[in-house]
Amino acid sequence: GQSLEQPSEVTAVEGAIVQINCTYQTSGFYGLSWYQQHDGGAPTFLSYNALDGLEETGRFSSFLSRSDSYGYLLLQELQMKDSASYFCASPGTASKLTFGTGTRLQVTL
Amino acid sequence: DARVTQTPRDKVTEMGQEVTMRCQPILGHNTVFWYRQTMMQGLELLAYFRNRAPLDDSGMPKDRFSAEMPDATLATLKIQPSEPRDSAVYFCASGFDAGELFFGEGSRLTVL
Repeated sequence: GQSLEQPSEVTAVEGAIVQINCTYQTSGFYGLSWYQQHDGGAPTFLSYNALDGLEETGRFSSFLSRSDSYGYLLLQELQMKDSASYFCASPGTASKLTFGTGTRLQVTL
Repeated sequence: DARVTQTPRDKVTEMGQEVTMRCQPILGHNTVFWYRQTMMQGLELLAYFRNRAPLDDSGMPKDRFSAEMPDATLATLKIQPSEPRDSAVYFCASGFDAGELFFGEGSRLTVL
């Protein structure tokens, strides 16, 4: 099976940098994705790491270390609109996509 | 602008009633997922299909839930009979294998 653990809450100041961690245990590993979900909304895709290393997309970056079963999402130049829940997710065997426990990010002034 | 469409957006029903939720995935996507989200359980995978074939529905209570994909443009999730503990937001998502998934807006179910 798959299990992905994240911190439940993170608070950071506008303009700062925040890192949201994800540790996983999977029976088969095919990469790590990140999704953002605002309150009352649907999850939206942010990034996908198939290989070790850093992927950068604008203010957001995602990192994967398969040897450590660990990844993180890095948000830079935080804005108030970044306040949301963030989920890591991993496809297992036969594309079964399991989501992590989710991290609620609160950006303050 | 291609998007996943779910109906109904909101449903309030009484315990014991049948509930059917519908999803129109994005045309051409080969996988369709049903997730349930509650505050306590996060995003919980109920069932998913690849090329309309059910691959895994181990996340669903089999005695009351059923998921089908009668054609490429429609996926359904049925609850019969519904119970108060089924109250949640149900999301449908589609994509290519388990790459980027596109989610519908969700169906908020309240069972009284």
